[in-house]
Amino acid sequence: QTVVTQEPSLTVSPGGTVTLTCACSTGPVTSDYYPNWFQQKPGQAPRTLIYLTNNKHSWTPARFSGSLLGGKAALTLSGAQPEDEAEYYCLLYCGGAQVFGGGTKLTVL
Amino acid sequence: EVQLVESGGGLVQPGRSLRLSCAASGFTFDDFAMHWVRQVPGKGLEWVSGINWNSGYTAYADSVKGRFTISRDNGKSALFLQMNSLRPEDTALYYCSRGFNGLRLGMGYWGQGTLVTVSS
Repeated sequence: QTVVTQEPSLTVSPGGTVTLTCACSTGPVTSDYYPNWFQQKPGQAPRTLIYLTNNKHSWTPARFSGSLLGGKAALTLSGAQPEDEAEYYCLLYCGGAQVFGGGTKLTVL
Repeated sequence: EVQLVESGGGLVQPGRSLRLSCAASGFTFDDFAMHWVRQVPGKGLEWVSGINWNSGYTAYADSVKGRFTISRDNGKSALFLQMNSLRPEDTALYYCSRGFNGLRLGMGYWGQGTLVTVSS
């Protein structure tokens, strides 16, 4: 069974920088895993931030960026704001299926 | 403006069936793959099923394969999920999501979800 792994929780200071990562149990993540990143706040539906590794939606704040880093997909937040506190999920196409990571709870403190 | 509105959720007994619908608007429906994703309240996201633009290819999570069927009606800009042999572990909020021009590429837009509760 394919597993996608994210950090369960991370904390960043306001104005600080943090990187969330997303790994696939089958091997190093490449662009052919089509990484997506989603933000979800309590009581709300998920919202897509990044698709196809590093593409942003029109609503994605410039402080968010996507990349590949050390065999993982990565979401970097530079200049964290209080409103960035949320759960972040990655999605990979790995092991022949779309698989979500377990989510990273990001605290801005 | 892209809009995805799910409906059809509710309380159903184990072993029974339910059909979810998703009404899409604000984009050319048959240009995009579509997906169903579910979330147990307080838990993470689980991809359930996806369908390509012309229904030529469908895919399912192992947890629902053989019980759930995804379909679409491009003329009505509608997506469906037929759920049979429902189990208590299928209880979740079910989201409709618009993909991209390929089924593997992920999801760009999300609806607000419809709640399915499987309980006797």
